[in-house]
Amino acid sequence: EAGVAQSPRYKIIEKRQSVAFWCNPISGHATLYWYQQILGQGPKLLIQFQNNGVVDDSQLPKDRFSAERLKGVDSTLKIQPAKLEDSAVYLCASSRALNEKLFFGSGTQLSVL
Amino acid sequence: AQSVTQPDIHITVSEGASLELRCNYSYGATPYLFWYVQSPGQGLQLLLKYFSGDTLVQGIKGFEAEFKRSQSSFNLRKPSVHWSDAAEYFCAARMDSSYKLIFGSGTRLLVRP
Repeated sequence: EAGVAQSPRYKIIEKRQSVAFWCNPISGHATLYWYQQILGQGPKLLIQFQNNGVVDDSQLPKDRFSAERLKGVDSTLKIQPAKLEDSAVYLCASSRALNEKLFFGSGTQLSVL
Repeated sequence: AQSVTQPDIHITVSEGASLELRCNYSYGATPYLFWYVQSPGQGLQLLLKYFSGDTLVQGIKGFEAEFKRSQSSFNLRKPSVHWSDAAEYFCAARMDSSYKLIFGSGTRLLVRP
């Protein structure tokens, strides 16, 4: 069974630039999560989808971050414009349903200079 | 506010020694509790979880954890550590009424040969 796929693996940008991350969850998984993991901290949930609907985006900085899952399968997370404090690893996870086991991707490491 | 605390940032143990990683939670009621491991460049992997019932839960890779309601703790243990256990360990919790998984800040385990 293929795992959660994320790309790119690494990204380096300058502040005020925009960036996008892509996530393809495990086939058949209805729930998709984006987490932000700043160095030295635990992952923090940014947004959670159930199929193509948003379940929770309370911690998403909506002035600069956006995410979509238009067809209920893969998802993109965008930052525009990026700030220095956005430097982090962005983890995507999926689960079959809301209360089931999460499977994490390897993450995208973002450096904002 | 709901929170998960891992008081130890780093722990160093000798190979073959026993291990205990601490985790405390602050919730209005008993949450669902999890331990994850993250190796460099890899996604988070679930070690074990506690939902209810027996307070001593067994996980993968020889790990176990004990839930203590009186101490609001869910400490992770392993009787004999292997060099391959060196990684970062995260405790996490969520309430039944919310699917949001809240992570602690992690404990980095170093293993001495």
